[in-house]
Amino acid sequence: DVKVTQSSRYLVKRTGEKVFLECVQDMDHENMFWYRQDPGLGLRLIYFSYDVKMKEKGDIPEGYSVSREKKERFSLILESASTNQTSMYLCASSRTVWTASGANVLTFGAGSRLTVL
Amino acid sequence: KNQVEQSPQSLIILEGKNCTLQCNYTVSPFSNLRWYKQDTGRGPVSLTIMTFSENTKSNGRYTATLDADTKQSSLHITASQLSDSASYICVVSAAVKLSFGAGTTVTVRA
Repeated sequence: DVKVTQSSRYLVKRTGEKVFLECVQDMDHENMFWYRQDPGLGLRLIYFSYDVKMKEKGDIPEGYSVSREKKERFSLILESASTNQTSMYLCASSRTVWTASGANVLTFGAGSRLTVL
Repeated sequence: KNQVEQSPQSLIILEGKNCTLQCNYTVSPFSNLRWYKQDTGRGPVSLTIMTFSENTKSNGRYTATLDADTKQSSLHITASQLSDSASYICVVSAAVKLSFGAGTTVTVRA
């Protein structure tokens, strides 16, 4: 019954390393999102994509990039990991339903906890 | 300043007791408000959605209320169970933009 799958649950990387976080959804959703979750701050949007090969910056895109080559897959890339990128990363997907009541319930993955040493 | 403020930050209750979580927001224009439940080690899962015209909505032992005039919502948990131990996140939609609260961590003890 898993609908949004994140490739790695736990990662430990060193400062300066390149990090790939992958997310796959099987619901044929148009929209995919990457958030980071830090204690006391809630979820913050890094990047989102509303179609294949399309991407939009969220609230905190600095230090990150994304790739969406296929509809079901959305990758988050840290080109050169830094210690302040230690966090829980959550991927989510949704359909494009722009109504007041149906506005995009998000389906989340289980999260990827990244530690940068 | 976060446009969605949740309180308390955390609470501990005994199994079988009730509790109420608060969410105040300044997001505008308002589309809808959702409460998500996030179990430890899992992603958030939607519990309820409230639109502008709805005051109360229930999902089993969870009841959400919304006062769009004062921009406040609450989530009431009735007869708490150990499985209610989780973080509860309030998410407010302004058209296509989502604003997340920091969450309330609920711990239910036997």
